[in-house]
Amino acid sequence: GAVVSQHPSRVICKSGTSVKIECRSLDFQATTMFWYRQFPKQSLMLMATSNEGSKATYEQGVEKDKFLINHASLTLSTLTVTSAHPEDSSFYICSAGLLSYNSPLHFGNGTRLTVT
Amino acid sequence: KNEVEQSPQNLTAQEGEFITINCSYSVGISALHWLQQHPGGGIVSLFMLSSGKKKHGRLIATINIQEKHSSLHITASHPRDSAVYICAVNSDTDKLIFGTGTRLQVFP
Repeated sequence: GAVVSQHPSRVICKSGTSVKIECRSLDFQATTMFWYRQFPKQSLMLMATSNEGSKATYEQGVEKDKFLINHASLTLSTLTVTSAHPEDSSFYICSAGLLSYNSPLHFGNGTRLTVT
Repeated sequence: KNEVEQSPQNLTAQEGEFITINCSYSVGISALHWLQQHPGGGIVSLFMLSSGKKKHGRLIATINIQEKHSSLHITASHPRDSAVYICAVNSDTDKLIFGTGTRLQVFP
């Protein structure tokens, strides 16, 4: 079946630094990738949708200059948390799809970000 | 009020029990997903359905479009089924909306 690889699985960084998270679709070309954030014991919150070759669409309340998303190819999307702060500590998950929203969801394993 | 509501929030069961998790939604949808999140955080897509019923192994998912309700059933539950189960819908406005999840613990 389709596999989405997310890297790194865990990262600890200092305040003020930037962290890049990669999301790769391994056996299919993902025209659309989604980035989510999850706070402890809460459900997933969609942060943004990225389409290959175009600018990401951010959900209301998500700072686009803070969370930079790049979807340069059909198999790779990256999320960069810029100038990280402790409140950015969270679990970040990507998913990839073949079409827009209405397609089976294939998730990465998530990245646990801790900002000290 | 959340647009996608799940019940129960927490569920404990003995191994072998039949389990039902419910999902109700208040928006028009084109599809509904059931997801399983393991303690480590990884998420697996269990089902995507827009009508009727689907079965995969011990898992069964049903949806009633008129009543805006879906259920996920687990037959002969096992401790390895312990996870958080999340319902998500593709709304008619092209949004993906998640429920708050149901935490299931199955004891031997």
